Amino acid sequence: EAGVTQFPSHSVIEKGQTVTLRCDPISGHDNLYWYRRVMGKEIKFLLHFVKESKQDESGMPNNRFLAERTGGTYSTLKVQPAELEDSGVYFCASSSGSLTGELFFGEGSRLTVL
Amino acid sequence: AQSVAQPEDQVNVAEGNPLTVKCTYSVSGNPYLFWYVQYPNRGLQFLLKYITGDNLVKGSYGFEAEFNKSQTSFHLKKPSALVSDSALYFCAVRDWGADGLTFGKGTHLIIQP
Repeated sequence: EAGVTQFPSHSVIEKGQTVTLRCDPISGHDNLYWYRRVMGKEIKFLLHFVKESKQDESGMPNNRFLAERTGGTYSTLKVQPAELEDSGVYFCASSSGSLTGELFFGEGSRLTVL
Repeated sequence: AQSVAQPEDQVNVAEGNPLTVKCTYSVSGNPYLFWYVQYPNRGLQFLLKYITGDNLVKGSYGFEAEFNKSQTSFHLKKPSALVSDSALYFCAVRDWGADGLTFGKGTHLIIQP
């Protein structure tokens, strides 16, 4: 069974440019989460999808971030325009069941904004 | 608001010795507690969780953790460390009603041969 896959693994862009990160969850997992780890700091929750609906987006930093999950399958996270402080590793995770269940994480997408 | 503290950035243990990675938490209700491990260039992997019931929970790779409500702690333990246990360990908590996990900063565990 394929795990959670994320693309790209590493992206280097200049301030002001746009980047789109993609996450393919484990097939059949209705829950999809985005998290971000800025260098040396905690992993922070960004948002939670249940199928195609945003269940909780309280962790999204600002309106430069847009997450979508069309059709309830893969998800994209767009940053437009990117700022220096957006640099970090963006993790996607999926799960099949309740909020007490384990999350399956992807390897992360490292974003570097110059 | 929920929070997690991992007071040690790094823990060094000799192979074969017992190990402990510390974690304390703060939540408004009953906590759901988790440990995840991250190996280099890999995603986080689930180790174990406490939801309710027995305070001592056992997980993958011989790890266990003890939930202590009075001390608000959930320390990760293993009786005999292996070099292959060397990795970055994250403690996380989910408060009742919250969607997302709150993670600690992570602890680098280094097992010396």
